[in-house]
Amino acid sequence: DFVMTQSPVSLAVTPGEPASISCRSSQSLLHSNGYNYVDWYLQKPGQSPQLLIYLASYRAPGVPNRFSGSGSGTDFTLKISRVEAEDVGVYYCMQGLRDPRFTFGPGTKVDIK
Amino acid sequence: QVHLVQSGTEMKKPGSSVKVSCKASGAAFSTSTFNWVRQAPGQGPEWIGRIIPFLGSTDYAQEFEGRLTVTADDSASTVYMELNSLRSEDTAIYYCARGKREQLVGNFFYYYMDVWGKGTTVTVSS
Repeated sequence: DFVMTQSPVSLAVTPGEPASISCRSSQSLLHSNGYNYVDWYLQKPGQSPQLLIYLASYRAPGVPNRFSGSGSGTDFTLKISRVEAEDVGVYYCMQGLRDPRFTFGPGTKVDIK
Repeated sequence: QVHLVQSGTEMKKPGSSVKVSCKASGAAFSTSTFNWVRQAPGQGPEWIGRIIPFLGSTDYAQEFEGRLTVTADDSASTVYMELNSLRSEDTAIYYCARGKREQLVGNFFYYYMDVWGKGTTVTVSS
């Protein structure tokens, strides 16, 4: 089974400052086609999860370019170049390699200082 | 613009069943997949099942095999999730999420969950 871990568990960021979230998978998420099958979601308070990044580094339509994803194999990173107040919530990574038995990470809570 | 509208809050007794609907509008229903993801109070999301309407195929998380049924009504652009033998641990928000197909280099494609419903709260309590 794929086990996803995330760090940190939570972080508080000053508006305008960058933020970085790490996601690690127990198995490689690199497909033989060269794509890494990991997605990133943000769940704002009281809302449904919303897709930010798919296939490790592709921004979903409508997602601000301050969000970026990187990584390969088992280690992935979501970066926010300049955090805004609207970015608060819980960020989840999710493996999509074992389609459709997707597995989410435990989440990273982001607050504003 | 794709929109998913889910049915309302459910209160159920242990041992009973619940059926939640998810109506899609503005979507290419026949070329999308539809996933069900649940979230227990204070927990992260958990994928539980999926249907591919144009193939008529379903997939379920192993722990839900035999207890979960996902169906689709193409004519109504609606998918359904029915969970039987409910227990208190099934108390959660149940989300419907559309899987959009992305063509990749080579003869590969990927479905990512790009649109989510607002969720249906299911409470199981005696």
